Amino acid sequence: DAGVIQSPRHEVTEMGQEVTLRCKPISGHNSLFWYRQTMMRGLELLIYFNNNVPIDDSGMPEDRFSAKMPNASFSTLKIQPSEPRDSAVYFCASRIDSNQPQHFGDGTRLSIL
Amino acid sequence: TQLLEQSPQFLSIQEGENLTVYCNSSSVFSSLQWYRQEPGEGPVLLVTVVTGGEVKKLKRLTFQFGDARKDSSLHITAAQPGDTGLYLCWADSWGKFQFGAGTQVVVTP
Repeated sequence: DAGVIQSPRHEVTEMGQEVTLRCKPISGHNSLFWYRQTMMRGLELLIYFNNNVPIDDSGMPEDRFSAKMPNASFSTLKIQPSEPRDSAVYFCASRIDSNQPQHFGDGTRLSIL
Repeated sequence: TQLLEQSPQFLSIQEGENLTVYCNSSSVFSSLQWYRQEPGEGPVLLVTVVTGGEVKKLKRLTFQFGDARKDSSLHITAAQPGDTGLYLCWADSWGKFQFGAGTQVVVTP
């Protein structure tokens, strides 16, 4: 079974550039989550979607961050313009329904120079 | 605001010893999950607890959910080096989700 697929696995870019992270959830899963993980702040929920609709985006740090889910099989997290403090591992997760496990992708390690 | 308080932050023990990790909050959870994360990978679910007072066992791991559904613990009996990892609790407080800060467990042979 294909799990949650994230791309790219690694990205290194200069500050000010636009960064787009991609996620393909597991087929049939209704909810999708974007998280950011750093040593200082741990795993933070940025936004989650239910049936492609953003339900809670209160964790999105600022207007430079945006997320979309145009269909059930694809989501993007965009940072524009990027800053060094955005450096982190970004995880995407999906699940079938509440109380069911979240299945995580392997993450995108983002470094902003 | 931090919904969940996880402790301790770090545990280093010898193989064969027992350990307990705690996850606490002032809020009531509708459900709580425990995950384990290894370097370079995403977290993987260990267990979901939903009912107050619930106890679940997974081989040498025992999970408890407090009667008031505000706290949970993970106990590992006779830890092995393969138990090394970052243990995370995740709580759903009726649509508000949060991970705990995590407990890094290191089990040395």
